[in-house]
Amino acid sequence: GNSVTQMEGPVTLSEEAFLTINCTYTATGYPSLFWYVQYPGEGLQLLLKATKADDKGSNKGFEATYRKETTSFHLEKGSVQVSDSAVYFCALSNDYKLSFGAGTTVTVRA
Amino acid sequence: DAGVTQSPTHLIKTRGQQVTLRCSPKSGHDTVSWYQQALGQGPQFIFQYYEEEERQRGNFPDRFSGHQFPNYSSELNVNALLLGDSALYLCASSRGATGPNQPQHFGDGTRLSIL
Repeated sequence: GNSVTQMEGPVTLSEEAFLTINCTYTATGYPSLFWYVQYPGEGLQLLLKATKADDKGSNKGFEATYRKETTSFHLEKGSVQVSDSAVYFCALSNDYKLSFGAGTTVTVRA
Repeated sequence: DAGVTQSPTHLIKTRGQQVTLRCSPKSGHDTVSWYQQALGQGPQFIFQYYEEEERQRGNFPDRFSGHQFPNYSSELNVNALLLGDSALYLCASSRGATGPNQPQHFGDGTRLSIL
């Protein structure tokens, strides 16, 4: 079956630091890959996506590249802000449902 | 353009009771999925409705049931509530006719607490 493993948190950073959250997956076929973000008290928001190998998803300064050879989809941002503090979820879909990782809590300090 | 809306926001029930949660999809979306998110964990897929039928189901007992209406809105029903059913229940919508692997848009969820 499908599974997603992502870096355990919590992660605490200073403003303008570099952020990376590792994500690896197990799936049959050719899944689409996603990063979702959850701010306190809210639902999930789609951050970025990639639908095939070597695709790079990007949004709001975040990037992730679909690496089929290493079954990975690591999230990166070059310079984080306090407003990036949230829980980040890696997810995949190769049918009609999403399978999520456990989430990584990121706290950015001014 | 209204996003996914869920009601109620919070709910408190006791063991053995039944509960109904409601969801209206984003405008233009015809598919609704439900997820259970326990504290500190990622969401777990419960089921998905498309064209008023359950299209796919996750590993949840029959106590969890649902319905989709002609206007694409949906309900999640949980019978014989257990303490372990305490969670955030998320509704997500997408365009089903465009095939699988589509991004899903989430509501803010219903926080269900079982006493």
